[in-house]
Amino acid sequence: DIQMTQSPSSLSASVGDRVTITCRASQGISNSLAWYQQKPGKAPKLLLYAASRLENGVPSRFSGSGSGTDYTLTISSLQPEDFATYYCQQYYSTPTFGGGTKVEIK
Amino acid sequence: EVQLLESGGGLVQPGGSLTLSCAASGFTFSSYAMSWVRQTPGKGLEWVSAVSNSGGSAYYADSVKGRFTISRDNSKNTLYLQMNSLRAEDTAVYYCAKGYSSSWSSYFDYWGQGTLVTVSS
Repeated sequence: DIQMTQSPSSLSASVGDRVTITCRASQGISNSLAWYQQKPGKAPKLLLYAASRLENGVPSRFSGSGSGTDYTLTISSLQPEDFATYYCQQYYSTPTFGGGTKVEIK
Repeated sequence: EVQLLESGGGLVQPGGSLTLSCAASGFTFSSYAMSWVRQTPGKGLEWVSAVSNSGGSAYYADSVKGRFTISRDNSKNTLYLQMNSLRAEDTAVYYCAKGYSSSWSSYFDYWGQGTLVTVSS
């Protein structure tokens, strides 16, 4: 299976900050990457797919980029409702998830 | 509105069995592959199994192969996961997740609320 390594595992940030989360695949995944947001006690919510395509209804402050094995989720200006845990997932082959990044209030 | 409603979780002894169900509504169920994804505090999110839109093909993670069986009833818009020979490490919240297409390996655009399975004596 393809391993997904997410970094950092946690970060502290303030409202208005620009936040970047990285996901590295153990082999190339041809942009077959999704990002999810999860809040405590809730199911994951799809934010982006195909590395950079925004899911309907997701605010434009979320963006994704990358290619090959390295991908990035960026939140351009962190809002109070964005404090959550974020996961990447590859679907190039058998689906696998990154370990998650917890975004906490500074 | 797409809704996925899981049921069937609970406490079961090691070696026991449990069947999870996921009732789907708000979309053409028979057009999409469906998956089960589980989450544990220690191991995060783990894809468990997927079934093709027709139900004719099933796919499993190595960790559950030979013990779990995924199926669907398109006439009832319901997804199932039969879990046998349960182990402590199967303890998790199990989510039903809709694939974005008929492809079994996909991202998941809708998730259920999850059902907790606890394997313990």
